[in-house]
Amino acid sequence: AQSVTQLDSHVSVSEGTPVLLRCNYSSSYSPSLFWYVQHPNKGLQLLLKYTSAATLVKGINGFEAEFKKSETSFHLTKPSAHMSDAAEYFCVVRIRTYKYIFGTGTRLKVLA
Amino acid sequence: DAGVIQSPRHEVTEMGQEVTLRCKPISGHNSLFWYRQTMMRGLELLIYFNNNVPIDDSGMPEDRFSAKMPNASFSTLKIQPSEPRDSAVYFCASRTVGAGETQYFGPGTRLLVL
Repeated sequence: AQSVTQLDSHVSVSEGTPVLLRCNYSSSYSPSLFWYVQHPNKGLQLLLKYTSAATLVKGINGFEAEFKKSETSFHLTKPSAHMSDAAEYFCVVRIRTYKYIFGTGTRLKVLA
Repeated sequence: DAGVIQSPRHEVTEMGQEVTLRCKPISGHNSLFWYRQTMMRGLELLIYFNNNVPIDDSGMPEDRFSAKMPNASFSTLKIQPSEPRDSAVYFCASRTVGAGETQYFGPGTRLLVL
């Protein structure tokens, strides 16, 4: 079965320290993978996507993610957290033309 | 580009009333999705349209839910009659065929059924 697992439901970091949000996927073929961010009472905003080009994907606001096929992972990172990064983050895998599986989300808290 | 537009942003209604949610996709996008987000179930696909035609409505909870897309720039999701368990945030997303098949989400409609 195809699935996506976000390994942490909550992550807390101090402002200025690195961010790591973990995502593992299961797919029977080369997937398209996405990270979205959702700020409180807002819609989902695309951070970045992987579509079988470069394995290291750079997104908006300094975020990047690395596709590792051998580990079936697509972890999201940022070198230095900012207060405005506090939000919920969703890892998403596209499994069919119009079917997307959403992870359960990771709520990122940034401490001053 | 204005992005995906949804209205209303908030809706409070009483059980048994009809609720209509509206969506305007990004111009030029030919696919439209309706999702529901709840704490318990996360994001669920309700229905998918391609070129204004409903392709998959298997996620629509029951007959109380219906969706239409009369043209490429407008879609509605209707709940009649509404029930308290329908309380959720409803998102519309659109995309165009191309590299990555990226969905672009609207701001959502927060529905509360009392």
